[in-house]
Amino acid sequence: SYVLTQPPSLSVAPGQTAEMTCGGDNIESKSVHWYQQKPGQAPVLVIYNDRDRPSGIPERVSGSNSGNTATLTISRVEAGDEADYYCQVWHDYGDPVVLGGGTKLTVL
Amino acid sequence: QVQLVQSGPEFRKPGASVRVSCKVSGSSFNNYDVHWVRRASGRGLEWMGWMHPGSGNTGYAQNFQGRVTFTWDTSGRTAYLDLRGLRSEDTAVYYCSRARGAENFDLWGQGTLVTVSS
Repeated sequence: SYVLTQPPSLSVAPGQTAEMTCGGDNIESKSVHWYQQKPGQAPVLVIYNDRDRPSGIPERVSGSNSGNTATLTISRVEAGDEADYYCQVWHDYGDPVVLGGGTKLTVL
Repeated sequence: QVQLVQSGPEFRKPGASVRVSCKVSGSSFNNYDVHWVRRASGRGLEWMGWMHPGSGNTGYAQNFQGRVTFTWDTSGRTAYLDLRGLRSEDTAVYYCSRARGAENFDLWGQGTLVTVSS
């Protein structure tokens, strides 16, 4: 089965840049989607197809995908960005939907 | 505007079964699949499977095969998740979401807390 690896936590000061990685074998061949989940709330799609933003997601949220690593970048981090972030891909074998373990972003 | 509205919290004893519903309100839901994802306390999101309302086709994650069933009520535009043989590890918030084929999950229900305890 396909595995997505995310660091469990990341701490960033307000105004700085948060880069959250999602590692997978040749992940650049897949479309990566990212979800933000705040405590007590449902997940929200923040990036789809590696780098596209749904309407309502600010431009300071961006994504990239190269080699074995996809990255979600949040610039000028704010307190409201504190949440868990998950990457997700579709895979042809085994369970078709694969989710990373999630990264907890803490704003210092 | 489409919304996914889920049923309220449930409390069950180990070994029991639970049904969670997800009602689609708003415009057409054509060409979308309904997926179920759960999150247990202290753990990440876990995908459980999918179903296509139009065809009734389903797919279940390996961890849940034989213990979960997805159904669809066309008249009520409601998706159902039935989970059997509950154990304490099934205590989690269960979410329905939608995806068009192998695309992203762009809409989610508000979640349903299922607590399993003796």
